[in-house]
Amino acid sequence: NAGVTQTPKFQVLKTGQSMTLQCAQDMNHNSMYWYRQDPGMGLRLIYYSASEGTTDKGEVPNGYNVSRLNKREFSLRLESAAPSQTSVYFCASSEGLILLYEQYFGPGTRLTVT
Amino acid sequence: AQRVTQPEKLLSVFKGAPVELKCNYSYSGSPELFWYVQYSRQRLQLLLRHISRESIKGFTADLNKGETSFHLKKPFAQEEDSAMYYCALSGQEGAGSYQLTFGKGTKLSVIP
Repeated sequence: NAGVTQTPKFQVLKTGQSMTLQCAQDMNHNSMYWYRQDPGMGLRLIYYSASEGTTDKGEVPNGYNVSRLNKREFSLRLESAAPSQTSVYFCASSEGLILLYEQYFGPGTRLTVT
Repeated sequence: AQRVTQPEKLLSVFKGAPVELKCNYSYSGSPELFWYVQYSRQRLQLLLRHISRESIKGFTADLNKGETSFHLKKPFAQEEDSAMYYCALSGQEGAGSYQLTFGKGTKLSVIP
């Protein structure tokens, strides 16, 4: 099992460009999450999908959109990238409620916006 | 607003010495507390969670509701414990039960 995979691993964008970060999991998990991590900071939740067909905002959703394409895939879209979105982005998945089920993390995507 | 505070960015201890990584939190309801770890070149992974009352790799953590703390402890540090450690909390019901709030992390360095 690959677990949680993310593409791409690295990306450089110019201000105003758009892009989609892809995430897939092969563990048949119900819940999926997108986080960002800025230097010297902890991870902050952007959006999450508790189950297929639902998405909800996390702590820092502004400037992002998400799509739960199916049970396996959860994408994060930046419509008009800004330098403040320079960060490392992590996708994660879990069977369900965090207090009951472990979250499994992807390797991260390092995004630079110039 | 919920918050997790890890006061130490870096903690260096000698091999065999006791380790205590501090974590304090603020949360309006009943939180669930976790410790996550990231070893060099590896993914972030769950180390332990309060609800399981478990000891993993010799680490334990006790929830002190009076002091709103969830410090991570190990009696004898090993070199392989060197890593980045994150304390995190979630709610126990509703939307909060799907949302983890992380601290900024403490880098533990075990000196041989």
